[in-house]
Amino acid sequence: QKEVEQNSGPLSVPEGAIASLNCTYSDRGSQSFFWYRQYSGKSPELIMSIYSNGDKEDGRFTAQLNKASQYVSLLIRDSQPSDSATYLCAVNRGGGYNKLIFGAGTRLAVHP
Amino acid sequence: EPEVTQTPSHQVTQMGQEVILRCVPISNHLYFYWYRQILGQKVEFLVSFYNNEISEKSEIFDDQFSVERPDGSNFTLKIRSTKLEDSAMYFCASSERDTKSGELFFGEGSRLTVL
Repeated sequence: QKEVEQNSGPLSVPEGAIASLNCTYSDRGSQSFFWYRQYSGKSPELIMSIYSNGDKEDGRFTAQLNKASQYVSLLIRDSQPSDSATYLCAVNRGGGYNKLIFGAGTRLAVHP
Repeated sequence: EPEVTQTPSHQVTQMGQEVILRCVPISNHLYFYWYRQILGQKVEFLVSFYNNEISEKSEIFDDQFSVERPDGSNFTLKIRSTKLEDSAMYFCASSERDTKSGELFFGEGSRLTVL
């Protein structure tokens, strides 16, 4: 079982729609969860962090965490073509480790 | 806005040569990391560094790799004898706190091509 799993996509949504990106993780000891955006050939850019169960909103982005189900999601409202990128889910390794484990990413394509 | 800076942006080297990749983390950050991403693959953890010593390292980070914080600002990754499979984008990252509660910010990366 992969430590952090994401659908590779592409997830194709029309401009203005809601894009929903999902991530599951295997380590029940994980305490921090992050969404990064990565444009092709560029570095990961932090979008959201979430540490407790529930929703966290920041502008057009909402992160959702369910630790019981070991599930994290990212909603992007009013999707724009500029949101087209690969979205990486990252989870800290529990048990006192100091590292983030990344999923392989979901490619999002927003078409006009 | 403070940022992590990396040099060089691209380095081409011959197999067996030594390479040093440099990073200047965000100034008030205490935790430093190197990650790499082989083309088309996921971002992989290499090493984390805190209080002038390695706190974690992955299986990838073997004896050919080393890290150093030679002064108060730079954080370097050395690959002693490069192999073809070391070709990748190497990202430096830093955070104020450890990964239980700290957000990692990444530099723009150094692309290493080993011929």
